[in-house]
Amino acid sequence: AQSVTQLGSHVSVSEGALVLLRCNYSSSVPPYLFWYVQYPNQGLQLLLKYTSAATLVKGINGFEAEFKKSETSFHLTKPSAHMSDAAEYFCAVSVSNTDKLIFGTGTRLQVFP
Amino acid sequence: DAGVTQSPTHLIKTRGQQVTLRCSPKSGHDTVSWYQQALGQGPQFIFQYYEEEERQRGNFPDRFSGHQFPNYSSELNVNALLLGDSALYLCASRGTSNTEAFFGQGTRLTVV
Repeated sequence: AQSVTQLGSHVSVSEGALVLLRCNYSSSVPPYLFWYVQYPNQGLQLLLKYTSAATLVKGINGFEAEFKKSETSFHLTKPSAHMSDAAEYFCAVSVSNTDKLIFGTGTRLQVFP
Repeated sequence: DAGVTQSPTHLIKTRGQQVTLRCSPKSGHDTVSWYQQALGQGPQFIFQYYEEEERQRGNFPDRFSGHQFPNYSSELNVNALLLGDSALYLCASRGTSNTEAFFGQGTRLTVV
C-alpha cells in the first residue's frame, strides 16, 4: 500500500524567504511522486514530478524537489517566496505513470510581505 | 485547448437525492479519473475510466457510479446523497502516453 504524509498543515514565510514544504512517502514499489498546487476555488496544477530519472526535479514557478530514498522524502523547496505562492500544496504518490494518485492532506502556504 | 472542463461548477442537493456531474477531458486524452476532496482534505480517488470501462476503483460505496462515453467525456453519479458527500469533486484526464494528469476546476457539491 502507498501513502503520503505531509508534515505541517500550515506554513508561513516572509516574502523573499526560503519555502520548505515536507513530504514523506511510503511505498512497497519504486514510487512516482508529484507536487500539485491548488489556488482557492480552483483545481490542481502540477508543479513537478519524479518518475525515477534525476533525483533533483525542477518544476514551474521556481520550485524544485529532491527524491531521497534513504529518507523516503520528497520535500518541496523554493529559494525565495513570492506573494503569489500563497496556496494549498499537495504531495501525491503513484505506482506508475497511469495509476491513481494518492494525496497527502495538504499544506497551506501563507506568504507575508 | 479548453483543458478539462467540469459542469456544473456548484450544485446544492437535498439528502437522499441523486446527482450527476460531468467532465470533458482535455483534447487528446482518453483516460478520466474522478476524485472527491472534502473540506480541508486531500483528494481521494473514486474511480478511473478508460475505453468506456471502469479500470480502477477506490474505496467508495456502490452509490458512486460512473460512465465514459465514446467521445471520452465522463459522468459521475451519486445516489442516495448523504451530508458527508458534500465536497469538491475533481475530474482529471490523461493520455495513454502522457504521464501528467490534468485536473478540472471541480464541481462543488453541497448536500443539505
